[in-house]
Amino acid sequence: KAGVTQTPRYLIKTRGQQVTLSCSPISGHRSVSWYQQTPGQGLQFLFEYFSETQRNKGNFPGRFSGRQFSNSRSEMNVSTLELGDSALYLCASSPRQGEETQYFGPGTRLLVL
Amino acid sequence: EDQVTQSPEALRLQEGESSSLNCSYTVSGLRGLFWYRQDPGKGPEFLFTLYSAGEEKEKERLKATLTKKESFLHITAPKPEDSATYLCAVPDSNYQLIWGAGTKLIIKP
Repeated sequence: KAGVTQTPRYLIKTRGQQVTLSCSPISGHRSVSWYQQTPGQGLQFLFEYFSETQRNKGNFPGRFSGRQFSNSRSEMNVSTLELGDSALYLCASSPRQGEETQYFGPGTRLLVL
Repeated sequence: EDQVTQSPEALRLQEGESSSLNCSYTVSGLRGLFWYRQDPGKGPEFLFTLYSAGEEKEKERLKATLTKKESFLHITAPKPEDSATYLCAVPDSNYQLIWGAGTKLIIKP
């Protein structure tokens, strides 16, 4: 079974721009969660999607948004980028909502200049 | 407040030198404790789930144990390929994972 895939792997943007990241979960997995990882804050939960609906949201500003499609693929969008948004963005999938065992993709490294 | 604390922040060992990593947690009702391994530039890789005090799980040179307040990841006779950051996490009341900051393990040959 193919693992979780994320595109792009690396991205450089400037302040004020917006960015869209994509995640394809493991086949058959319907829950997708997004995390931000930085050296200072570690792994922080952004949101979880299940059956095209956002089920949970972390403490991030409204500039961070996401969506899930009927094939369980998910995208997250960050608008009006700030320098502090530079991070590794990780996507994780699991078979069901609330399934704690999550399987992570390789991440998208975002650098905001 | 739900919290996960890992220690030490970093650990340097010689190849073959066994040691343990600690993950202490405060959560209202334990719904499991998860250990992951993360290599540089990669996403975390699932290792173990523990659900009740006294439970133990093993995988190759790794053994995870759980008490009511903490978990230990024991590494026996480590090899350089065991070098990585080890993360633990517990679910909160909404079943979202709360993560520790990780322990960076370096095994020198």
